[in-house]
Amino acid sequence: NAGVTQTPKFRILKIGQSMTLQCTQDMNHNYMYWYRQDPGMGLKLIYYSVGAGITDKGEVPNGYNVSRSTTEDFPLRLELAAPSQTSVYFCASNREGIQYFGAGTRLSVL
Amino acid sequence: KNQVEQSPQSLIILEGKNCTLQCNYTVSPFSNLRWYKQDTGRGPVSLTIMTFSENTKSNGRYTATLDADTKQSSLHITASQLSDSASYICVVSSNTNAGKSTFGDGTTLTVKP
Repeated sequence: NAGVTQTPKFRILKIGQSMTLQCTQDMNHNYMYWYRQDPGMGLKLIYYSVGAGITDKGEVPNGYNVSRSTTEDFPLRLELAAPSQTSVYFCASNREGIQYFGAGTRLSVL
Repeated sequence: KNQVEQSPQSLIILEGKNCTLQCNYTVSPFSNLRWYKQDTGRGPVSLTIMTFSENTKSNGRYTATLDADTKQSSLHITASQLSDSASYICVVSSNTNAGKSTFGDGTTLTVKP
């Protein structure tokens, strides 16, 4: 049972670089989310999707983009990385009110 | 504005002792309230989920209560173990926001031998 899988686990970026955080789930869930969690803080919603082809902004979408071409995959794109984007990123899917989280991607922008 | 407030921010207890974590929310209209456990360096894992009509829900040594009238919930941990050391997050969903939820900042619990 893979659940929600995120890659990579760790990444260091230089300011201005771009990258894509991958997220895939094998539970056939329609709802998927991207969160960021800064040290000692709660999770903040970046983007979410209610199904393939449908995405919407969360609380903190600036500097990020998403796409949802399939039910399984929900990649998060960072363009022009900034130090403020140093954080741990969690992807999640939702079924019947319960969210299932991936193990996270720890990103540092230096 | 929808908000979820958790207290205390952190808590240290001795192994074997009980503890209770609190969650107050202003999310409306209410759909469900969940408690998650987040181990250091890991993603949150669901402990309990309660809807409006449920007052209590147990999962092993974890018991969550919900008072929808006062918009309060608690998570009680019985006979704590070292493995209970984690952050406990209260999450509340509204049934009008396409599955989005409001997260509390969590309570960090440390269980010492």
